[in-house]
Amino acid sequence: NAGVTQTPKFQVLKTGQSMTLQCAQDMNHNSMYWYRQDPGMGLRLIYYSASEGTTDKGEVPNGYNVSRLNKREFSLRLESAAPSQTSVYFCASSVIPGQALYEQYFGPGTRLTVT
Amino acid sequence: SQQGEEDPQALSIQEGENATMNCSYKTSINNLQWYRQNSGRGLVHLILIRSNEREKHSGRLRVTLDTSKKSSSLLITASRAADTASYFCATDVPGSNYKLTFGKGTLLTVNP
Repeated sequence: NAGVTQTPKFQVLKTGQSMTLQCAQDMNHNSMYWYRQDPGMGLRLIYYSASEGTTDKGEVPNGYNVSRLNKREFSLRLESAAPSQTSVYFCASSVIPGQALYEQYFGPGTRLTVT
Repeated sequence: SQQGEEDPQALSIQEGENATMNCSYKTSINNLQWYRQNSGRGLVHLILIRSNEREKHSGRLRVTLDTSKKSSSLLITASRAADTASYFCATDVPGSNYKLTFGKGTLLTVNP
């Protein structure tokens, strides 16, 4: 199993450009999450998808959109990138809610710089 | 808003020593989880403790939970250089639909 994979690993954008961050998991998990990590801020939830076909906003959703393409894939889109979106982005997935253990499994991250 | 806060922000110890990190949170929880993040990598789950548990062990890790004080501690015994990483607590709050709220982390450096 590859676990959670993210593409790309690094990206540099100019202000106003758009891009989509891709995430896929092969663990048959129902729930998927997008976080951003900034120095001194810990991880903050951008959007999450509790199950296929549903998405909900997290703590910092402004400037982002998501798509739960199928059970495996959850993408994050920046429509018009801003320097404030410079960050490391992590995708995560977890087992079906309600089961005994539902720790989250994280991808390796995408380091995004917006100039 | 930050639910969990780790303390200290940074900790430097010698190999073989024990490392203790603390996490305080603000509201009642379903469970509390600890994660480790090596530099430049994703987070890795270490241990989960439920709100009705007081202590849990996993290898060299010992986690305690005091719901009356809204705090948890992570003890790493006989630390190794490979334990050098950032450690985060994350809380699952009732009604949050299983979302986790992460603290800002403790950076642990274990010197050989």
